[in-house]
Amino acid sequence: EVVMTQSPVSLPVTLGQPASISCRSSQSLRHSDGNTYLHWFQQRPGQSPRRLIHNVSKRDSGVPDRFSGSGSDTDFTLTISRVEAEDLGIYYCMQSTHWPPPTFGEGTKVEIK
Amino acid sequence: EVQLVESGGDLIQPGGSLRLSCAASGFSVSVDYMSWVRQAPGRGLEWVSILYTYGTTYFADSVKGRFAMSRDISKNTVYLQMNDLRADDTAVYYCSRDIIVPPRFDYWGQGTRVIVSS
Repeated sequence: EVVMTQSPVSLPVTLGQPASISCRSSQSLRHSDGNTYLHWFQQRPGQSPRRLIHNVSKRDSGVPDRFSGSGSDTDFTLTISRVEAEDLGIYYCMQSTHWPPPTFGEGTKVEIK
Repeated sequence: EVQLVESGGDLIQPGGSLRLSCAASGFSVSVDYMSWVRQAPGRGLEWVSILYTYGTTYFADSVKGRFAMSRDISKNTVYLQMNDLRADDTAVYYCSRDIIVPPRFDYWGQGTRVIVSS
């Protein structure tokens, strides 16, 4: 089973400032088909998770362009260019290159500094 | 518009059984891949199971042999049958949909809460 490690666990942010979350996998997430199945989810307080980014850097429909994903192999990053109040919540990375099972990181809580 | 509505969560004693439902709209459960993902109180996300379009199922090791997935195409609904429930099965259970695999969990329902306690 692939282990996903996120850092930091808690990320105090200033509204309007950038923020980045790191996600590392215990093995390369590059699939034999050439894709890298690393995805990012946002979970606002009291809500269901919502996918923001799939396949490392592909932003999902309706997701603001202040969110971006990057990385390769075992190291990945979710960046928020300018944090807004609605961005507060917990962010999870997830891999589905080596599955079953698909595995999630433990989450990063983005909160106001 | 794709919608997933889970139901069936309850307070159940250890060793008991429960069946969760996920009613889908905006697509057919017969042509897409359906998963269950759970979240224990104050914890992260854990994949539970997936039902392929042609009926094959896969389960997390933690539930293998105790949980089963099925679907009723006429009701456009998928089910998670949970048997021999344990305290560590306590969680909010989310239904999710994918149009392809590997899963990427395109859409999520609002979740249904299961509490296993005596």
